Amino acid sequence: GDSVTQMEGPVTLSEEAFLTINCTYTATGYPSLFWYVQYPGEGLQLLLKATKADDKGSNKGFEATYRKETTSFHLEKGSVQVSDSAVYFCAVENTGGFKTIFGAGTRLFVKA
Amino acid sequence: EAQVTQNPRYLITVTGKKLTVTCSQNMNHEYMSWYRQDPGLGLRQIYYSMNVEVTDKGDVPEGYKVSRKEKRNFPLILESPSPNQTSLYFCASSPSTLKPYGYTFGSGTRLTVV
Repeated sequence: GDSVTQMEGPVTLSEEAFLTINCTYTATGYPSLFWYVQYPGEGLQLLLKATKADDKGSNKGFEATYRKETTSFHLEKGSVQVSDSAVYFCAVENTGGFKTIFGAGTRLFVKA
Repeated sequence: EAQVTQNPRYLITVTGKKLTVTCSQNMNHEYMSWYRQDPGLGLRQIYYSMNVEVTDKGDVPEGYKVSRKEKRNFPLILESPSPNQTSLYFCASSPSTLKPYGYTFGSGTRLTVV
């Protein structure tokens, strides 16, 4: 079945550092890929998505590129802020659209 | 405001006492789903619904029931809760499965079964 593997956290960075959170997936067909963010005490929010190979999703300074050859969708941000501290989830949606598999989540701490 | 509303936010109950967690969305979304979130396991799908009166099992459906009598509501029913159902539950919705829209999530329900 489909699966998602994320790098384990927590990841601790200083403000303005470069962020990479690795995500790899296994899926059949032509899945869509997502990153969600969860702030403390809240539900998940859609951060960005990519629906086909080589697509780049971007939002709020975050980016991720759909790499079919390496089955990866790594999340990057050039300069993190304290307000980016949260848990980040990578997710893959199956071709039929009725099932989304989430990774275990990666907690990010950003220090001032 | 477009949103998914879950109630209650927090619930402590005893083993075996039936409970319902409500979920309502005001966006006319066709697709709705329930997930549970446990440390180290991420989110696991319990049940989903493609539209009114159409529901199906996710990856961890044992011990749960759902219904979809109206488009906006998708309650999660635990008929005889057990301690291993202590978890953080999320309801999510999406306009449809025809395109990869992504989900809108509720704020979560933290359930403790003692």
